[in-house]
Amino acid sequence: EDQVTQSPEALRLQEGESSSLNCSYTVSGLRGLFWYRQDPGKGPEFLFTLYSAGEEKEKERLKATLTKKESFLHITAPKPEDSATYLCAVHYSGGGADGLTFGKGTHLIIQP
Amino acid sequence: DTGVSQDPRHKITKRGQNVTFRCDPISEHNRLYWYRQTLGQGPEFLTYFQNEAQLEKSRLLSDRFSAERPKGSFSTLEIQRTEQGDSAMYLCASSLNTGGGTQYFGPGTRLTVL
Repeated sequence: EDQVTQSPEALRLQEGESSSLNCSYTVSGLRGLFWYRQDPGKGPEFLFTLYSAGEEKEKERLKATLTKKESFLHITAPKPEDSATYLCAVHYSGGGADGLTFGKGTHLIIQP
Repeated sequence: DTGVSQDPRHKITKRGQNVTFRCDPISEHNRLYWYRQTLGQGPEFLTYFQNEAQLEKSRLLSDRFSAERPKGSFSTLEIQRTEQGDSAMYLCASSLNTGGGTQYFGPGTRLTVL
């Protein structure tokens, strides 16, 4: 069973069409939830860290929110340059490793 | 540039050869992580260091893999007797002190095993 599930796997939007990406997690003892953006052939680029339910963070057209079992990345009036894969990851105290556990990502395409 | 750097960016090797990758973290970060990413998947944790001590290894890290971080600065990841299944992007990340701290990733090393 996947500990971090992202949906949808892929999303195609028109420029200016707002939407949300979902990240649900089943781990307990959450110590942080992270959103990254990854362009093809490059390393993940940090976007947000959320630590507790109810927390929200914003950056330009992106807004991340966190509940007890899921996080949303809201994209408002997206532009073609927002096209990328968006990765969600969790760090939790129940696991043996101190690394992040990632979802498979949502591949977002914004058409002009 | 004060970000995480990795070298080489691309490596093509033949099955059975040994390869070594290098990662230079952000200078003030004392934690360094290695991940592996295959096509269509998120990064998978391999191992991490706090200063020069290797504190955790994933079961993904077979005996053919070894990582070092002498002097607590740069790190190397060596793969011995490479197999085609080792083909992947190898990512390095660094962070400050305690768990939960944000990890910043380098550009990755793309390994292709023929």
